[in-house]
Amino acid sequence: KNEVEQSPQNLTAQEGEFITINCSYSVGISALHWLQQHPGGGIVSLFMLSSGKKKHGRLIATINIQEKHSSLHITASHPRDSAVYICAVVPVGTGNQFYFGTGTSLTVIP
Amino acid sequence: EPEVTQTPSHQVTQMGQEVILRCVPISNHLYFYWYRQILGQKVEFLVSFYNNEISEKSEIFDDQFSVERPDGSNFTLKIRSTKLEDSAMYFCASSSWGPGTGELFFGEGSRLTVL
Repeated sequence: KNEVEQSPQNLTAQEGEFITINCSYSVGISALHWLQQHPGGGIVSLFMLSSGKKKHGRLIATINIQEKHSSLHITASHPRDSAVYICAVVPVGTGNQFYFGTGTSLTVIP
Repeated sequence: EPEVTQTPSHQVTQMGQEVILRCVPISNHLYFYWYRQILGQKVEFLVSFYNNEISEKSEIFDDQFSVERPDGSNFTLKIRSTKLEDSAMYFCASSSWGPGTGELFFGEGSRLTVL
């Protein structure tokens, strides 16, 4: 059973393109996190959302709690954005539990 | 900038041996976590730790696993008798608040190979 689904699984884009990665989840949540996993394996937190929209540089994350859906957008993509992007949710009532998506592997070609 | 550090970066062990993975969380953080990622698979939650005790654990975190915060700075994951399927990257993370309200900070991971 997969409580968190991401699409697409793999994405190749030309430098400069606008990119959207989607995350759908099936459980009630208290928060959703977007994470970036570098090719070397390290994980960095990009956003934590419980409603609305957040922006950081070229990255924008949105969440629709009613539709159980979140999107991560990258504007003016760059080869250094190449990484795996992971959606993770904190289910309501679990406190400190996380359910992770399988990740979206992004490759940005110069 | 404060960071979460993990040691060792890579450990190779024989099946049945005990392994201890170490983490130094960010100093003023209160919540600590271990996750694992088997090669090619998604990240999985193992355990969360708050106020010197386990607050949540997954089905993966069976009696072979234990966590400890022995000295107020280190946070360790012990695997008592390793199995082949324990081979994975293990990530430690910490946060000021719980994941429902706070950003997580991850270590670089410890790769465990069980032969």
